[in-house]
Amino acid sequence: ETVLTQSPATLSLSPGERATLSCRASQSISNYLIWYQQKPGQAPRLLIYDASNRATGIPGRFSGSGSGTNFTLTISSLEPEDFAVYYCQQRSNWPVTFGGGTKVEIK
Amino acid sequence: EVQLVESGGGLVQPGRSLRLSCAASGFTFDHYAMHWVRQTPGKGLEWVSGISWNSGRIDYVDSVKGRFTISRDNAKNSLYLQMNSLKAEDMALYYCVKDTGRHNDAFDLWGQGTMVTVSS
Repeated sequence: ETVLTQSPATLSLSPGERATLSCRASQSISNYLIWYQQKPGQAPRLLIYDASNRATGIPGRFSGSGSGTNFTLTISSLEPEDFAVYYCQQRSNWPVTFGGGTKVEIK
Repeated sequence: EVQLVESGGGLVQPGRSLRLSCAASGFTFDHYAMHWVRQTPGKGLEWVSGISWNSGRIDYVDSVKGRFTISRDNAKNSLYLQMNSLKAEDMALYYCVKDTGRHNDAFDLWGQGTMVTVSS
């Protein structure tokens, strides 16, 4: 199966700072990479699909990039509501797999 | 309101069975594939099973093949997961999840989850 490795495990930043999250795939997944946000006690929420397409209602400060095996989620300027755990997921190879998550916490 | 509401979780002994249900509302249920995804503190998020809009394609993660059965009733806007021969490693929060399309394997609507605890 395709293993997704997210780094760092934890990112400590202040509101207004830029966040850069990484997701690396163990084999090429083209651009079939998805990002989710999960807040405590809530289900994950779709942010970005197919590497760079924002889902409906997602603010423009969220952007995704990458292809092949290396992907990045960028939050240009952190808002208080952005502190959460972020997961990547691939839909290129069976079975669908998720990364272990990156926690973005307030510094 | 667009939502998914799971039910059926609970405490069950190893080797026993449990049936999860998911009631969908606010969207045209039979236009979309549906999935079950589970989450544990240790293993994180794990896709468990998916079913296409017309039940023509059904997939399972290897660890549940032969034990779990996914099904849907489009007339009732409902998704199900029959879980047999439950093991300790099946203990998790189970989410009912809507696909973005007929079978895109991207998930744009999640329920709040139903907890399955497997313990003697």
